Amino acid sequence: ETGVTQTPRHLVMGMTNKKSLKCEQHLGHNAMYWYKQSAKKPLELMFVYNFKEQTENNSVPSRFSPECPNSSHLFLHLHTLQPEDSALYLCASSQDLSKEQGTQYFGPGTRLLVL
Amino acid sequence: GNSVTQMEGPVTLSEEAFLTINCTYTATGYPSLFWYVQYPGEGLQLLLKATKADDKGSNKGFEATYRKETTSFHLEKGSVQVSDSAVYFCALRGGGFKTIFGAGTRLFVKA
Repeated sequence: ETGVTQTPRHLVMGMTNKKSLKCEQHLGHNAMYWYKQSAKKPLELMFVYNFKEQTENNSVPSRFSPECPNSSHLFLHLHTLQPEDSALYLCASSQDLSKEQGTQYFGPGTRLLVL
Repeated sequence: GNSVTQMEGPVTLSEEAFLTINCTYTATGYPSLFWYVQYPGEGLQLLLKATKADDKGSNKGFEATYRKETTSFHLEKGSVQVSDSAVYFCALRGGGFKTIFGAGTRLFVKA
């Protein structure tokens, strides 16, 4: 399998549930990102990891908890979400964080609905 | 700070029409510029990129030229198809780790 994969593709959860989103990249990259895409809003950067170290937490509420066990895998743990958290969550990777090698490649996204 | 402005949509065209989606940017230095495309129900796909002034990125019949004098990176295609219907995002990456995305332009192509 090539590129960036995300599972699950669709997720429905209640506000009291705990779930996790998974992202895996097969590109040999060292940087990984989580984005949130909501209807009629710009793409929002949530978290950035470089060589497994978190380099950015863009004021994201603590009900979203990222985990990066290695350079190929990225998780987003979800708990006690709100309906306004319903969105498409996109994972991306790049070779590194430089301008020259920072071209991002995206996964297909997880469509999340919080009831 | 860095920013990207792209034309608001939706853009509606008939098949085989010429497409232009305008994108202008504000940045210090010499950023890399990108166009991404998002088909319904999918993530963003890199369409083309350019890394320095006067570079032309091209892919699948789409092209864009990095114009530093006008700080623009307009996307063009000579003859669109129904399958080109999607949302197109202009983006830039300068110093630092953030890629700045435009708001997206939705394109509808009618048969």
